Amino acid sequence: AQTVTQSQPEMSVQEAETVTLSCTYDTSENNYYLFWYKQPPSRQMILVIRQEAYKQQNATENRFSVNFQKAAKSFSLKISDSQLGDTAMYFCAFMKGGGGDDKIIFGKGTRLHILP
Amino acid sequence: GAVVSQHPSRVICKSGTSVKIECRSLDFQATTMFWYRQFPKQSLMLMATSNEGSKATYEQGVEKDKFLINHASLTLSTLTVTSAHPEDSSFYICSASNRGATDTQYFGPGTRLTVL
Repeated sequence: AQTVTQSQPEMSVQEAETVTLSCTYDTSENNYYLFWYKQPPSRQMILVIRQEAYKQQNATENRFSVNFQKAAKSFSLKISDSQLGDTAMYFCAFMKGGGGDDKIIFGKGTRLHILP
Repeated sequence: GAVVSQHPSRVICKSGTSVKIECRSLDFQATTMFWYRQFPKQSLMLMATSNEGSKATYEQGVEKDKFLINHASLTLSTLTVTSAHPEDSSFYICSASNRGATDTQYFGPGTRLTVL
Protein backbone atom coordinates (compact mmCIF):
# COMPACT_ATOMS: atom_id res chain seq x y z
CA ALA A 1 0.00 0.00 0.00
CA GLN A 2 1.10 3.52 -0.74
CA THR A 3 1.64 6.08 2.00
CA VAL A 4 2.41 9.79 1.95
CA THR A 5 3.97 11.51 4.95
CA GLN A 6 4.20 15.22 5.61
CA SER A 7 6.15 15.81 8.78
CA GLN A 8 5.51 19.54 9.15
CA PRO A 9 1.96 20.21 10.39
CA GLU A 10 2.43 23.99 10.31
CA MET A 11 4.99 26.53 9.09
CA SER A 12 5.29 30.31 9.05
CA VAL A 13 7.60 32.46 6.96
CA GLN A 14 7.93 36.13 6.17
CA GLU A 15 6.69 37.44 2.86
CA ALA A 16 9.33 37.28 0.08
CA GLU A 17 11.25 34.51 1.81
CA THR A 18 11.76 31.03 0.42
CA VAL A 19 10.15 28.07 2.14
CA THR A 20 10.46 24.33 1.62
CA LEU A 21 7.73 21.86 2.48
CA SER A 22 8.76 18.25 3.03
CA CYS A 23 7.10 15.09 1.80
CA THR A 24 8.12 11.46 1.76
CA TYR A 25 6.23 8.57 0.30
CA ASP A 26 6.38 4.83 0.12
CA THR A 27 5.46 2.66 -2.83
CA SER A 28 6.56 -0.41 -4.74
CA GLU A 29 5.23 1.01 -8.00
CA ASN A 30 7.55 2.14 -10.78
CA ASN A 31 5.04 4.23 -12.69
CA TYR A 32 3.40 6.94 -10.63
CA TYR A 33 2.76 10.63 -10.24
CA LEU A 34 3.39 12.98 -7.37
CA PHE A 35 1.50 16.18 -6.77
CA TRP A 36 1.39 19.19 -4.56
CA TYR A 37 -2.07 20.62 -4.04
CA LYS A 38 -2.92 23.91 -2.38
CA GLN A 39 -6.12 24.40 -0.42
CA PRO A 40 -6.71 28.06 0.47
CA PRO A 41 -9.41 29.19 2.91
CA SER A 42 -11.98 28.85 0.12
CA ARG A 43 -11.23 25.10 0.31
CA GLN A 44 -10.96 24.74 -3.46
CA MET A 45 -8.22 22.24 -4.22
CA ILE A 46 -5.69 23.75 -6.61
CA LEU A 47 -3.00 21.76 -8.37
CA VAL A 48 0.32 23.49 -7.77
CA ILE A 49 2.76 21.16 -9.46
CA ARG A 50 2.99 17.63 -10.82
CA GLN A 51 5.91 15.26 -11.26
CA GLU A 52 6.02 12.08 -13.31
CA ALA A 53 8.19 9.47 -11.62
CA TYR A 54 9.93 8.50 -14.85
CA LYS A 55 11.18 12.04 -15.39
CA GLN A 56 14.47 12.85 -13.71
CA GLN A 57 14.10 16.58 -14.20
CA ASN A 58 12.44 18.37 -11.32
CA ALA A 59 9.14 20.03 -12.21
CA THR A 60 8.92 23.82 -12.01
CA GLU A 61 5.96 26.18 -12.18
CA ASN A 62 6.97 29.82 -11.83
CA ARG A 63 7.83 30.33 -8.14
CA PHE A 64 7.12 26.70 -7.28
CA SER A 65 9.64 23.93 -7.78
CA VAL A 66 10.14 20.46 -6.46
CA ASN A 67 13.13 18.42 -5.36
CA PHE A 68 12.27 14.90 -6.45
CA GLN A 69 14.58 12.26 -5.04
CA LYS A 70 13.21 8.97 -6.36
CA ALA A 71 15.63 6.66 -4.58
CA ALA A 72 14.99 8.37 -1.27
CA LYS A 73 11.25 8.62 -2.03
CA SER A 74 11.28 12.28 -1.21
CA PHE A 75 9.29 15.04 -2.91
CA SER A 76 9.72 18.47 -1.37
CA LEU A 77 8.13 21.71 -2.57
CA LYS A 78 10.04 24.97 -2.66
CA ILE A 79 8.17 28.24 -2.81
CA SER A 80 10.36 31.17 -3.78
CA ASP A 81 9.55 34.83 -3.13
CA SER A 82 6.57 33.79 -1.03
CA GLN A 83 3.46 35.93 -1.25
CA LEU A 84 0.55 36.50 1.12
CA GLY A 85 -1.68 34.60 -1.30
CA ASP A 86 0.42 31.50 -0.76
CA THR A 87 -1.11 31.16 2.70
CA ALA A 88 -2.96 27.85 2.54
CA MET A 89 -2.93 24.19 3.40
CA TYR A 90 -0.57 22.24 1.16
CA PHE A 91 -1.07 18.56 0.47
CA CYS A 92 1.47 16.22 -1.02
CA ALA A 93 -0.19 13.44 -3.00
CA PHE A 94 0.56 10.21 -4.83
CA MET A 95 -1.21 8.50 -7.70
CA LYS A 96 -0.35 5.31 -9.52
CA GLY A 97 0.30 5.71 -13.22
CA GLY A 98 -2.10 4.40 -15.83
CA GLY A 99 -4.65 6.95 -16.97
CA GLY A 100 -5.84 9.08 -14.09
CA ASP A 101 -8.49 6.74 -12.83
CA ASP A 102 -6.53 5.61 -9.84
CA LYS A 103 -7.15 7.16 -6.51
CA ILE A 104 -5.02 9.94 -5.16
CA ILE A 105 -3.49 9.35 -1.76
CA PHE A 106 -2.99 12.52 0.22
CA GLY A 107 -0.63 13.36 3.03
CA LYS A 108 -2.00 15.00 6.15
CA GLY A 109 -1.03 18.43 4.95
CA THR A 110 1.14 21.35 5.99
CA ARG A 111 -0.53 24.59 6.98
CA LEU A 112 1.59 27.44 5.62
CA HIS A 113 1.30 30.99 6.90
CA ILE A 114 2.95 33.81 4.96
CA LEU A 115 3.47 36.72 7.33
CA PRO A 116 3.44 40.35 6.14
CA GLY B 1 -7.76 23.60 -16.94
CA ALA B 2 -10.98 21.63 -16.87
CA VAL B 3 -13.81 22.80 -14.64
CA VAL B 4 -15.75 20.72 -12.15
CA SER B 5 -18.74 22.14 -10.33
CA GLN B 6 -20.61 20.98 -7.26
CA HIS B 7 -24.12 21.80 -6.16
CA PRO B 8 -25.11 22.87 -3.63
CA SER B 9 -22.13 24.63 -2.10
CA ARG B 10 -23.77 24.56 1.30
CA VAL B 11 -26.68 22.58 2.66
CA ILE B 12 -28.29 22.40 6.07
CA CYS B 13 -30.74 19.62 6.77
CA LYS B 14 -32.56 17.99 9.64
CA SER B 15 -31.46 14.69 11.08
CA GLY B 16 -33.09 11.78 9.31
CA THR B 17 -33.48 13.44 5.94
CA SER B 18 -31.55 12.61 2.77
CA VAL B 19 -29.35 15.03 0.91
CA LYS B 20 -28.13 14.83 -2.69
CA ILE B 21 -24.92 16.47 -3.86
CA GLU B 22 -24.18 16.85 -7.55
CA CYS B 23 -20.78 16.86 -9.21
CA ARG B 24 -20.54 17.97 -12.83
CA SER B 25 -17.68 18.13 -15.28
CA LEU B 26 -18.46 21.22 -17.33
CA ASP B 27 -16.11 20.98 -20.29
CA PHE B 28 -14.91 17.40 -20.47
CA GLN B 29 -16.23 13.87 -20.22
CA ALA B 30 -15.49 12.37 -16.83
CA THR B 31 -15.13 8.63 -17.12
CA THR B 32 -14.21 8.44 -13.45
CA MET B 33 -15.28 10.53 -10.50
CA PHE B 34 -14.10 10.38 -6.93
CA TRP B 35 -15.83 11.45 -3.75
CA TYR B 36 -13.88 12.66 -0.74
CA ARG B 37 -14.78 13.72 2.75
CA GLN B 38 -12.79 16.27 4.69
CA PHE B 39 -13.14 17.01 8.38
CA PRO B 40 -11.94 20.38 9.74
CA LYS B 41 -8.17 20.78 9.64
CA GLN B 42 -7.72 17.28 8.24
CA SER B 43 -6.78 15.79 4.94
CA LEU B 44 -9.09 14.47 2.25
CA MET B 45 -10.36 10.97 2.80
CA LEU B 46 -11.45 9.04 -0.28
CA MET B 47 -14.92 7.61 0.13
CA ALA B 48 -15.55 6.00 -3.23
CA THR B 49 -14.61 5.82 -6.89
CA SER B 50 -17.30 5.78 -9.54
CA ASN B 51 -16.93 4.88 -13.19
CA GLU B 52 -19.60 5.96 -15.63
CA GLY B 53 -22.23 3.31 -16.07
CA SER B 54 -21.05 0.98 -13.34
CA LYS B 55 -21.36 0.58 -9.59
CA ALA B 56 -19.15 2.65 -7.36
CA THR B 57 -16.24 1.13 -5.50
CA TYR B 58 -16.28 2.10 -1.84
CA GLU B 59 -13.30 2.43 0.43
CA GLN B 60 -13.08 0.26 3.50
CA GLY B 61 -15.26 1.55 6.29
CA VAL B 62 -17.56 3.62 4.09
CA GLU B 63 -21.20 2.47 4.23
CA LYS B 64 -22.44 2.09 0.69
CA ASP B 65 -26.07 2.04 1.78
CA LYS B 66 -25.63 5.35 3.55
CA PHE B 67 -23.62 7.11 0.87
CA LEU B 68 -25.29 6.30 -2.44
CA ILE B 69 -23.29 7.19 -5.51
CA ASN B 70 -24.64 7.34 -9.03
CA HIS B 71 -22.59 8.10 -12.14
CA ALA B 72 -25.15 7.75 -14.88
CA SER B 73 -23.58 10.08 -17.42
CA LEU B 74 -20.13 11.23 -18.46
CA THR B 75 -20.70 14.64 -16.93
CA LEU B 76 -22.63 13.97 -13.75
CA SER B 77 -22.14 12.02 -10.55
CA THR B 78 -24.31 12.31 -7.47
CA LEU B 79 -23.70 11.50 -3.83
CA THR B 80 -26.78 10.97 -1.69
CA VAL B 81 -26.37 10.94 2.06
CA THR B 82 -29.31 8.91 3.28
CA SER B 83 -30.89 9.38 6.70
CA ALA B 84 -28.30 11.97 7.58
CA HIS B 85 -27.16 12.40 11.17
CA PRO B 86 -25.05 15.11 12.82
CA GLU B 87 -21.93 12.96 12.52
CA ASP B 88 -22.33 13.11 8.72
CA SER B 89 -21.70 16.85 8.86
CA SER B 90 -18.57 17.45 6.85
CA PHE B 91 -17.08 18.95 3.72
CA TYR B 92 -17.59 16.74 0.67
CA ILE B 93 -15.38 17.17 -2.39
CA CYS B 94 -15.58 15.46 -5.75
CA SER B 95 -12.95 15.12 -8.43
CA ALA B 96 -13.19 13.99 -12.02
CA SER B 97 -10.88 12.54 -14.62
CA ASN B 98 -11.06 11.31 -18.19
CA ARG B 99 -9.32 7.97 -18.30
CA GLY B 100 -6.94 7.74 -21.20
CA ALA B 101 -7.13 11.41 -22.08
CA THR B 102 -5.35 12.83 -19.09
CA ASP B 103 -3.73 11.68 -15.91
CA THR B 104 -4.98 14.69 -14.03
CA GLN B 105 -7.94 14.82 -11.69
CA TYR B 106 -9.87 18.05 -11.41
CA PHE B 107 -11.52 18.98 -8.15
CA GLY B 108 -14.88 20.56 -7.49
CA PRO B 109 -15.23 23.43 -5.01
CA GLY B 110 -16.79 21.24 -2.33
CA THR B 111 -20.09 21.06 -0.48
CA ARG B 112 -20.46 21.83 3.19
CA LEU B 113 -23.11 19.64 4.77
CA THR B 114 -24.51 20.51 8.18
CA VAL B 115 -26.96 18.11 9.77
CA LEU B 116 -28.94 19.52 12.67
